[in-house]
Amino acid sequence: GAVVSQHPSWVICKSGTSVKIECRSLDFQATTMFWYRQFPKQSLMLMATSNEGSKATYEQGVEKDKFLINHASLTLSTLTVTSAHPEDSSFYICSASAANLDRTSPLHFGNGTRLTVT
Amino acid sequence: GQQLNQSPQSMFIQEGEDVSMNCTSSSIFNTWLWYKQDPGEGPVLLIALYKAGELTSNGRLTAQFGITRKDSFLNISASIPSDVGIYFCAGRAQGGSEKLVFGKGTKLTVNP
Repeated sequence: GAVVSQHPSWVICKSGTSVKIECRSLDFQATTMFWYRQFPKQSLMLMATSNEGSKATYEQGVEKDKFLINHASLTLSTLTVTSAHPEDSSFYICSASAANLDRTSPLHFGNGTRLTVT
Repeated sequence: GQQLNQSPQSMFIQEGEDVSMNCTSSSIFNTWLWYKQDPGEGPVLLIALYKAGELTSNGRLTAQFGITRKDSFLNISASIPSDVGIYFCAGRAQGGSEKLVFGKGTKLTVNP
């Protein structure tokens, strides 16, 4: 149980275009999903917390107008990288925790999306 | 903000050896989690700890939630080649949200 599916697994786009990444909880409902970014050989850096039906909460230094997050249902959150530039190239990972559990429930992660902006 | 210090940064061991890695925090945590990440994939949950002093095993893996609630360790016994990967500790601070703070990872290499 507790499977999180992320799509696409990799994407290459041209500079200036936008890219949408989907994160789905397949066998549970997630009121909260998290979006992380990971640079090579580094740890996961939290970008934003996605709450179903409300605005996302962004971490300090993360541009909310550049990284648009939508959490329209209890099983789907999307991250759109707008006007992508080469420096946005990174590994983006989402995670989710089950809605029916308390705050101590562990987070389960998607398999990540490798974004390359040319 | 909260920070996690994870050590060692990397380990090179022979197959069959035991491995130990740990994390310490600057504040009290109410949840400790250990993940393993393979290249190009998302982290996979290994062990979750919720109580101070809790000792939990998952096969050859054993992890403990420190009594002070500011540290945790992960042990791997009788390592095998497929144990290769990056291990991350993660935790939730007391009184905090569901957000996880991650350590910087321990890269494990197992020589056959």
